Amino acid sequence: QQQVKQSPQSLIVQKGGISIINCAYENTAFDYFPWYQQFPGKGPALLIAIRPDVSEKKEGRFTISFNKSAKQFSLHIMDSQPGDSATYFCAASNSGYALNFGKGTSLLVTP
Amino acid sequence: DADVTQTPRNRITKTGKRIMLECSQTKGHDRMYWYRQDPGLGLRLIYYSFDVKDINKGEISDGYSVSRQAQAKFSLSLESAIPNQTALYFCATSDFSGGVGAFFGQGTRLTVV
Repeated sequence: QQQVKQSPQSLIVQKGGISIINCAYENTAFDYFPWYQQFPGKGPALLIAIRPDVSEKKEGRFTISFNKSAKQFSLHIMDSQPGDSATYFCAASNSGYALNFGKGTSLLVTP
Repeated sequence: DADVTQTPRNRITKTGKRIMLECSQTKGHDRMYWYRQDPGLGLRLIYYSFDVKDINKGEISDGYSVSRQAQAKFSLSLESAIPNQTALYFCATSDFSGGVGAFFGQGTRLTVV
């Protein structure tokens, strides 16, 4: 069964807006939560990641918010740019075991 | 050169044929993975290996087999390809802790006709 549920499936945001993608998980043993960005014809690339001992991590325009009690985490892209248009995957793993991925969100940032 | 290299990048094969997808890495990682990507289904784990003598099934291993020839090489085989194995296949590597995430190859687009 899908261990990580991701929404929305697709998202359209205007340039300069905030893109928000949400993920939820059930397995409380998960201890590593990365986000991957994938452009057409390329493999997924690690964007940002968080561990459950912090509630937020920010790298440039990208922020992960983590809610351990709700078993949810989200990616916020501030000041979204057309170059951010890509597919985004959330994932989760347990102590270095294989990543479990969400189904992905196709983001389109319009000029 | 890419850290994780997959060959071939594209392949069209016929139903019933045996095909091998190859992956090599220069990251020095012990852990290697094969994922399958289908539209709307995300990335699903086929097999993974934590060292040369370790092979583990993922959630969708039926119809696939793997071989870990060396620390740097991990191949995926389809013994008798079928059309619903048409997909984008990715190899990935990670270090022992997984703490810096997994590094993916460029993918192999496989079409079974």
